[in-house]
Amino acid sequence: SQQGEEDPQALSIQEGENATMNCSYKTSINNLQWYRQNSGRGLVHLILIRSNEREKHSGRLRVTLDTSKKSSSLLITASRAADTASYFCATDAGGGSYIPTFGRGTSLIVHP
Amino acid sequence: NAGVMQNPRHLVRRRGQEARLRCSPMKGHSHVYWYRQLPEEGLKFMVYLQKENIIDESGMPKERFSAEFPKEGPSILRIQQVVRGDSAAYFCASSTQETQYFGPGTRLLVL
Repeated sequence: SQQGEEDPQALSIQEGENATMNCSYKTSINNLQWYRQNSGRGLVHLILIRSNEREKHSGRLRVTLDTSKKSSSLLITASRAADTASYFCATDAGGGSYIPTFGRGTSLIVHP
Repeated sequence: NAGVMQNPRHLVRRRGQEARLRCSPMKGHSHVYWYRQLPEEGLKFMVYLQKENIIDESGMPKERFSAEFPKEGPSILRIQQVVRGDSAAYFCASSTQETQYFGPGTRLLVL
């Protein structure tokens, strides 16, 4: 297993602005997923991108994957105060049991 | 379809007591994962189980911690003789394939 590392650790923006978070990992992956965690709650799955995909959209979310750089980004467009949460990436290297490993997360604060 | 359920949501124990955390996966899910999360940190994998089998327990401390997922009933994470360092949020997740669905967590506080 391997760990994704999110960057920045914390991000503070105004409502309506875009938020970009990055995730880097170390070895080859089968897929990469982004999750969101509101304070005191469990993680909620946002989006999965496979190693043969470069970009994926879901509503106001846009995820990119660059396997040559071993990095992914999560873009939230037109942010809202309700987007305030911690965002985690999780990678799966495959090769048997599916055990995603999580980074420390990016803490996003969207000010109304 | 109810989501992943965990209970209790909060658990307070004194040092040396036992803590039992329960997780009921989503209906139809046969894979359960347990994670531990310390404040301001990500989730640390502990154990991966299928019904009646431990698939991977590489993240479990060698002593005092055990997990099971019986044929009937919830998955149980058991911590014996708790110490203050066990205080954390414990999350369980269930899945069928690649996507995990998380429960709300159990916050364990050891006094």
